[in-house]
Amino acid sequence: EAQVTQNPRYLITVTGKKLTVTCSQNMNHEYMSWYRQDPGLGLRQIYYSMNVEVTDKGDVPEGYKVSRKEKRNFPLILESPSPNQTSLYFCASSRWLTVGNYGYTFGSGTRLTVV
Amino acid sequence: AQSVAQPEDQVNVAEGNPLTVKCTYSVSGNPYLFWYVQYPNRGLQFLLKYITGDNLVKGSYGFEAEFNKSQTSFHLKKPSALVSDSALYFCAVRDPNNAGTMLTFGGGTRLLVKP
Repeated sequence: EAQVTQNPRYLITVTGKKLTVTCSQNMNHEYMSWYRQDPGLGLRQIYYSMNVEVTDKGDVPEGYKVSRKEKRNFPLILESPSPNQTSLYFCASSRWLTVGNYGYTFGSGTRLTVV
Repeated sequence: AQSVAQPEDQVNVAEGNPLTVKCTYSVSGNPYLFWYVQYPNRGLQFLLKYITGDNLVKGSYGFEAEFNKSQTSFHLKKPSALVSDSALYFCAVRDPNNAGTMLTFGGGTRLLVKP
């Protein structure tokens, strides 16, 4: 089954404790992206990657890191999480040349709480 | 820069009545437009898209959307609402001339269909 898999689904952590949210897709998509979803603010892009070893900042990159060492994986790293990073996070992927036809495929989301 | 506005945080409609969820956009070129739906505790699911051609596009679950270039709108519609249509709906736009950020999402509209 074609899908984007995020882990974990739920995570509660303490301020300052480094964490990684994993994202993996099995569709050989070139493009991957991370979004955070907050009430009243919709989806805001954190980082995106157009291909292996190519990443760039989205609208709200502060406090986050990403890497794209393999085509299928795009982990989101919070080096020192803070309470304002409490949010619902989504990973998405797309075939680069046909994004106009199919848009994104989204993961199921990771609900992160930083206390 | 591309942007999307969903002017209503919530739309309430009685089951069996027609529904409309509004979306307006701003891009420098000809837009690619999308609607996604999010059910509780799930990721976003693709509903429909407009790339070119007929201004009225049909999508999943009986939904349709009308592209209006002069009003820069892409409203989502359904002739007869179901209680199961209750969910969070996101409009998204892509400017084909903007290679990096791909899709920009609106803030979302919560649709509540009452029996």
